[in-house]
Amino acid sequence: DAGVIQSPRHEVTEMGQEVTLRCKPISGHNSLFWYRQTMMRGLELLIYFNNNVPIDDSGMPEDRFSAKMPNASFSTLKIQPSEPRDSAVYFCASRPGTGSHEQFFGPGTRLTVL
Amino acid sequence: SQQGEEDPQALSIQEGENATMNCSYKTSINNLQWYRQNSGRGLVHLILIRSNEREKHSGRLRVTLDTSKKSSSLLITASRAADTASYFCAPDQTGANNLFFGTGTRLTVIP
Repeated sequence: DAGVIQSPRHEVTEMGQEVTLRCKPISGHNSLFWYRQTMMRGLELLIYFNNNVPIDDSGMPEDRFSAKMPNASFSTLKIQPSEPRDSAVYFCASRPGTGSHEQFFGPGTRLTVL
Repeated sequence: SQQGEEDPQALSIQEGENATMNCSYKTSINNLQWYRQNSGRGLVHLILIRSNEREKHSGRLRVTLDTSKKSSSLLITASRAADTASYFCAPDQTGANNLFFGTGTRLTVIP
């Protein structure tokens, strides 16, 4: 298995632009998590899905952030409009199911908003 | 806070020495997990210890858990330069379905 796949790996954009981050979880995994990592705040959970359904989005910082999981093999995190303070590394992770606790992380997307 | 809090924030040791990192949390847990993150990479799961366990070993890793003190420790024995990374604890809170990571301990192993 290729593991969790994220794209793009790096994104540089200007303030006000829309940014879409993509994630393909490991096949057969039922849960998907989006995290944001910064030096100041560490690793923050933004939202997670179980069986494609959003369960907890309380970590989503603002209405500018939205996430979707249209099917079991694909999820997006969108920021519109982007701001410089959104600059961070965004990670996607997946987990096999409720009986398993280990999360498998993707390589991350490094976002820079100028 | 639901997240684990690692201590120290940074640790620098010589190759061959042992490294000990501590974690404190505030809620009841099902288990506690430790992850490693190499620079520029995603987190990798190292070991899980259940709430009814007190100690667990995996290769050069030894994890302890004291639920009465809500604390855990990760010991890496005979450290290697390749162990240089950030280490995170993640309490799996009872009733929750996700993990809460802290800011990690940055370990540097000097060759």
